[in-house]
Amino acid sequence: AQKVTQAQTEISVVEKEDVTLDCVYETRDTTYYLFWYKQPPSGELVFLIRRNSFDEQNEISGRYSWNFQKSTSSFNFTITASQVVDSAVYFCALSEDNYGQNFVFGPGTRLSVLP
Amino acid sequence: KAGVTQTPRYLIKTRGQQVTLSCSPISGHRSVSWYQQTPGQGLQFLFEYFSETQRNKGNFPGRFSGRQFSNSRSEMNVSTLELGDSALYLCASRIDNNYGYTFGSGTRLTVV
Repeated sequence: AQKVTQAQTEISVVEKEDVTLDCVYETRDTTYYLFWYKQPPSGELVFLIRRNSFDEQNEISGRYSWNFQKSTSSFNFTITASQVVDSAVYFCALSEDNYGQNFVFGPGTRLSVLP
Repeated sequence: KAGVTQTPRYLIKTRGQQVTLSCSPISGHRSVSWYQQTPGQGLQFLFEYFSETQRNKGNFPGRFSGRQFSNSRSEMNVSTLELGDSALYLCASRIDNNYGYTFGSGTRLTVV
């Protein structure tokens, strides 16, 4: 069975601090896809990144970076120099297809960035 | 370009009633998926429709049903509401299997 664990329920940081959100997944599939979504107070899920199981290259996009470690089944997300607008709930998700069919979501991590 | 539109935004129903939620996907998107988000269970997949056919279904009781119309708009119905059905119901659409999903802002259902 597929499962996604986000052990950090809530994190609070002060603006400009770096913060890492942890994600650990379980799957028996050899091909799978990992995602991060941001859910601001308005409710919609905003797509951040997708990574397939064959691509362990880390990725950086502006202040965001992702560390995919297949050996530890982890897909961690780091925000550098956090800003108040980063405050949201962040979800890590696992899918059997490239674009997110039948997502299995983690429980989410609520990030609060204080001014 | 309009996003995924879900109506109503908020809804209060009484236990035992039924409810219908609506989702208008982005124009041109043929696939619509529904998710339930609760504090206890998190985000869970309900079902997915593509070209008016249900392609996938999550692990929910038969009280939860849906349908998709020829214009790709989708409705989700929950019958015999229970207190535990109180949740944020999110709809997501995409063009087809080769594209990612865009989520709506959800319908927050409260069952009293």
